[in-house]
Amino acid sequence: DIVMTQFPDSLAVSLGERATINCKSSQSVLYSTNNKIYLAWYQQKPGQPPRLLIHGASTRGYGVPDRFSGSGSGTDFTLTISSLQAEDVAVYYCQQYYTTPFTFGPGTTVDIK
Amino acid sequence: EVQLLQSGGGLVQPGGSLRLSCVASGFTFRDYAMSWVRQAPGKGLEWVSTISSGGSDTHYADSVKGRFIISRDNSKNTLYLRMNSLRVEDTAVYYCAKSGLTGDLSDFDYWGQGTLVPVSS
Repeated sequence: DIVMTQFPDSLAVSLGERATINCKSSQSVLYSTNNKIYLAWYQQKPGQPPRLLIHGASTRGYGVPDRFSGSGSGTDFTLTISSLQAEDVAVYYCQQYYTTPFTFGPGTTVDIK
Repeated sequence: EVQLLQSGGGLVQPGGSLRLSCVASGFTFRDYAMSWVRQAPGKGLEWVSTISSGGSDTHYADSVKGRFIISRDNSKNTLYLRMNSLRVEDTAVYYCAKSGLTGDLSDFDYWGQGTLVPVSS
């Protein structure tokens, strides 16, 4: 199974400041046949289902604000919130869909400092 | 507007069975693989199962293989999860999720509201 790790476990950022979350996969999630990265990021607020933020490591999902961006390749990925807003307080998960079992990172909690 | 409306949760005893349903609307259901993902109380997300768009291919997490059965009825735009031999550790909120891509290997671009399945005596 591909193991997904995230760091930090939690972070607190001032409103308007940048938040950066890291994710690492235990093996590459780059599909060589189509050169696509099978890595997604989700946001989950308390009592709500997850929301897709980023797919293909860097493509924003439908309606996702452009302050959210994803980057990375191979096994190391980053989700960046360029200017943290109050509504961004949530837990963020990375996920690989390169192969089953699909696996999620343990989550990173983002809060306001 | 894509909607995934779940039903069928509720308290069940260890060893019991339950069937979850997820009715889809707002997209061409038969074109997309569908999945179940669960979340134990206070814990992270765990993928459970995926079924291909036509229903011929299924994939399961080792933790549920042989006990859970995923299925779909494309004529009714409905996804199912039959859960047998339930264990206390199956206690979780179960989400149905739509694949973002056509194909079994995909992110999940829309999620149901979730349904709680407590397994307890």
